[in-house]
Amino acid sequence: AQSVSQHNHHVILSEAASLELGCNYSYGGTVNLFWYVQYPGQHLQLLLKYFSGDPLVKGIKGFEAEFIKSKFSFNLRKPSVQWSDTAEYFCAVTASGGSYIPTFGRGTSLIVHP
Amino acid sequence: KAGVTQTPRYLIKTRGQQVTLSCSPISGHRSVSWYQQTPGQGLQFLFEYFSETQRNKGNFPGRFSGRQFSNSRSEMNVSTLELGDSALYLCASSLTTSGGHNEQFFGPGTRLTVL
Repeated sequence: AQSVSQHNHHVILSEAASLELGCNYSYGGTVNLFWYVQYPGQHLQLLLKYFSGDPLVKGIKGFEAEFIKSKFSFNLRKPSVQWSDTAEYFCAVTASGGSYIPTFGRGTSLIVHP
Repeated sequence: KAGVTQTPRYLIKTRGQQVTLSCSPISGHRSVSWYQQTPGQGLQFLFEYFSETQRNKGNFPGRFSGRQFSNSRSEMNVSTLELGDSALYLCASSLTTSGGHNEQFFGPGTRLTVL
C-alpha cells in the first residue's frame, strides 16, 4: 500500500522568506503526485500536479515542485512567500496501473507573518 | 460552472444516532469520493462512487456507507455514531476517476460533531 509523509507539520515564516515543504511517498511503481492547498475558510484546491515529463512542475501562485524519483520525494517550493500563502498544504499520491485510491499526507500548516 | 456543494454544512449529533450527508458534484463529473479530515490524521479516503457503483473503499468500518444516484449526486451515511466520528467530511468530484492524474474538485465539507 502506498503512504505519504509530510515531515513539517507546522511552518512559520516571515514574508519574503523562501519555502520548502517536504513530501515523501512509499510506492514502488509509477505514481501521480499532487499538492493541494486549503486557505482559511476555503475549499481544498489543486496547486500543481505531476504525472510524467519534466520533473520540475510549476503551479499557481508561484509555487513549484520537483519530483525526485530516486528519493521518492515531491517537495513544494516557493522562492518568496506572502502573507496570503498562509494555509494548509497537502501532498497526495495516486498509483498508476494499480489501486487508484488517492493517499494524502497529514498536511503542513503554514503561517506567514507580514 | 458551479462547484461541488455539500449539505448540510454543520451537524451536531449524539452517540448512537445516524447521519446522512449529501454531495452534488460539478456538472458532468461522474466520480464522487468521500474523505474524513481530522487534525491528526489529515484526509483519509472513505470511498469512491462512479456511475452509481462503489469503485473503491478505504479502511473504515461498515458503519460508513454511501451511494450514488443516476444524476451523480452522492450521499454518505454513518450509523451508530461514535465520538471519534467527529470530523470534517469532504466530498470531491472528478471527471472519470479519483485516481490517475485526474484533478479532484473539493466541496466545502460538512462539519460533524458527535456529543
